[in-house]
Amino acid sequence: AQSVTQLDSHVSVSEGTPVLLRCNYSSSYSPSLFWYVQHPNKGLQLLLKYTSAATLVKGINGFEAEFKKSETSFHLTKPSAHMSDAAEYFCVVSSGNTPLVFGKGTRLSVIA
Amino acid sequence: EAGVTQSPTHLIKTRGQQATLRCSPISGHTSVYWYQQALGLGLQFLLWYDEGEERNRGNFPPRFSGRQFPNYSSELNVNALELEDSALYLCASRVRQTSGNTIYFGEGSWLTVV
Repeated sequence: AQSVTQLDSHVSVSEGTPVLLRCNYSSSYSPSLFWYVQHPNKGLQLLLKYTSAATLVKGINGFEAEFKKSETSFHLTKPSAHMSDAAEYFCVVSSGNTPLVFGKGTRLSVIA
Repeated sequence: EAGVTQSPTHLIKTRGQQATLRCSPISGHTSVYWYQQALGLGLQFLLWYDEGEERNRGNFPPRFSGRQFPNYSSELNVNALELEDSALYLCASRVRQTSGNTIYFGEGSWLTVV
């Protein structure tokens, strides 16, 4: 069975400061991991994905995530937050022949 | 290249009616997924179709059903609508059910049941 836990339901940062959105996963198989972003009243956009290649994954808009098998974590980071980063972020796991399993989401607020 | 397209964008129905939502996957994608995003409940997996067959379904009652057509487009039907069916319904497509392949999402269909 697979599961994803996003450790924070809401994160608030000031513009220009680092962003850290935390995600732990559980999977019986070698997982693929994704981060998606959802802006208000929009669909989901892929930020980045990990598929057993490099453990540090770079995505769009300056985001990156590091896969740590020993900690079963896949935290999302960005060095400097922009106002446009305010959105809902979803950590997602996929392995074997199963659909994606989503975390409950983390709402990121960016304060000017 | 066109992304995943969904229609209608918004739909208002009354309790007990039926709703039909449609999805066109990205060209070349054979897998289509449906998710429900209700307020406060996150994204819940509804249905997965691949090559015209239903491969898996989430923990939803049988009044949620769908199908995939030969051109890989899909429709989701919700019968006997209840107020709690009000949600954003997201469709997604994938080249092939391989864990590393990315799933691409449409903008969603907002269903409001009154």
